[in-house]
Amino acid sequence: EVQLLESGGALVQPGESLRLSCAASGFTFTDYDMTWVRQGPGKGLEWVSVISTYGGTTHYADSVKGRFTISRDNSKSTLYLHMSSLRAEDTAVYFCANSNFLPGDHWGQGTLVTVSS
Amino acid sequence: QSALTQPASVSGSPGQSITISCTGTSSDFGDDEHVSWYQQYPGKAPKLMIYDVNKRPSGISNRFSGSKSGNTASLTISGLQAEDEADYYCCSFRDSTTRLFGGGTKLTVL
Repeated sequence: EVQLLESGGALVQPGESLRLSCAASGFTFTDYDMTWVRQGPGKGLEWVSVISTYGGTTHYADSVKGRFTISRDNSKSTLYLHMSSLRAEDTAVYFCANSNFLPGDHWGQGTLVTVSS
Repeated sequence: QSALTQPASVSGSPGQSITISCTGTSSDFGDDEHVSWYQQYPGKAPKLMIYDVNKRPSGISNRFSGSKSGNTASLTISGLQAEDEADYYCCSFRDSTTRLFGGGTKLTVL
C-alpha cells in the first residue's frame, strides 16, 4: 500500500524555523520527483516546491524562494522541507506528493504549520 | 505567480453534466501536455482525477473527462452523483520551474 506520512508541523513564532518530513512507503521513491503543496485555512491549494529524483534540481514558488529548502534522503525514502524566516502567511496544511511534472496520485494526509505570536 | 482562474462555484442536479473551466494566459500553460485536475473533500488530501489534460489514473470513473483549448482547460463530470460534491482544482506546468494551481471550484450537487 502506498503511504506518504508527513510530520513536523507545529505552532511557531514569526521568524522561526521548522523542518517538515514526509516518509514514503509502498512505491519506489526514486522513480518520482517529489513536491510540497500547501493550503492555508479556508484557502485553495498552493504549489510550494519540487525536487528531482536524486535531488539535483529544485524549484520553488516565488512566495517561499530564499526561505524554504526542499531536500530528500533516498536511502530513507524521505522528503524534507526546511522552512526559515516563517511568516503568518505561511500558516497552512502542508502536503507532500509524488510528481510527474505536476503533483501526482500519491498524497500524504498533511501536517499543520501555524505561525503566530 | 497569479493562480489560474476557475469559477468559484458550479452546481448541477444528479444525472446532469457540468463543466469546470480553468483559464490562464499563454504563459501559464507552458505546454499543451501538462494539465491536471484534483478533487478534494473538506479536511482531506487532494486526489488526482485527470492528468496530461485528458488522461484518467487507474480507478477514476470515466464520468470524469478533461480537455484543453487555447488558454482554457476544462473538466467535465457527466452523470453527476451526490459523491461528486467536492472542491476541484486545476494545475498546470507553467514552465520548467513553476507549477500553478487554479483558485478552486466548489461543486454542489443539488
